[in-house]
Amino acid sequence: DQQVKQNSPSLSVQEGRISILNCDYTNSMFDYFLWYKKYPAEGPTFLISISSIKDKNEDGRFTVFLNKSAKHLSLHIVPSQPGDSAVYFCAAPYNFNKFYFGSGTKLNVKP
Amino acid sequence: DAGVTQSPTHLIKTRGQHVTLRCSPISGHKSVSWYQQVLGQGPQFIFQYYEKEERGRGNFPDRFSARQFPNYSSELNVNALLLGDSALYLCASSLGQDHTEAFFGQGTRLTVV
Repeated sequence: DQQVKQNSPSLSVQEGRISILNCDYTNSMFDYFLWYKKYPAEGPTFLISISSIKDKNEDGRFTVFLNKSAKHLSLHIVPSQPGDSAVYFCAAPYNFNKFYFGSGTKLNVKP
Repeated sequence: DAGVTQSPTHLIKTRGQHVTLRCSPISGHKSVSWYQQVLGQGPQFIFQYYEKEERGRGNFPDRFSARQFPNYSSELNVNALLLGDSALYLCASSLGQDHTEAFFGQGTRLTVV
């Protein structure tokens, strides 16, 4: 059951431009969302999160937007840098003890 | 401070064999969770252990088992390995049972041949 979906397997953007990564979910019980970033040969590292009581959360170059009615969230990175090239996973915790992850979007930021 | 450490980093096993993967959580963290990440997919939840008790289990066969030790480290065991068990196995630790602040290890890459 794919409760969290990332429909774009890859995204390529030019350095300095905006990267927008999208995520959709089906379970209306989800009330907290996280984005993780993963480099090859490393585990996922926490990037940014958002609670369902908010529609936006910002941390430096990273902003996550949540549209509860559409069950959609997006991660904006601006300006994008080559070091941002990685796989980005959207995740939702459920029942306090597990995450549902999307399938990931591989971001390539070209110099 | 050491993060979540997993061993070994890479492993090759033959079909039908058994494997044990190990995880040491961040010091002070009492919860350990295991995830399987198959190539091209997101991590899939296998187990959560908190205070040495199983608190959650994902949709995996009984060939998969785990335990947590008094020092909060954990082992994931997989019996009768299948080719489809080839994946990156990730361990995540968190302070309490609440999984919203989880930190991941680098993973163990298991290849079954």
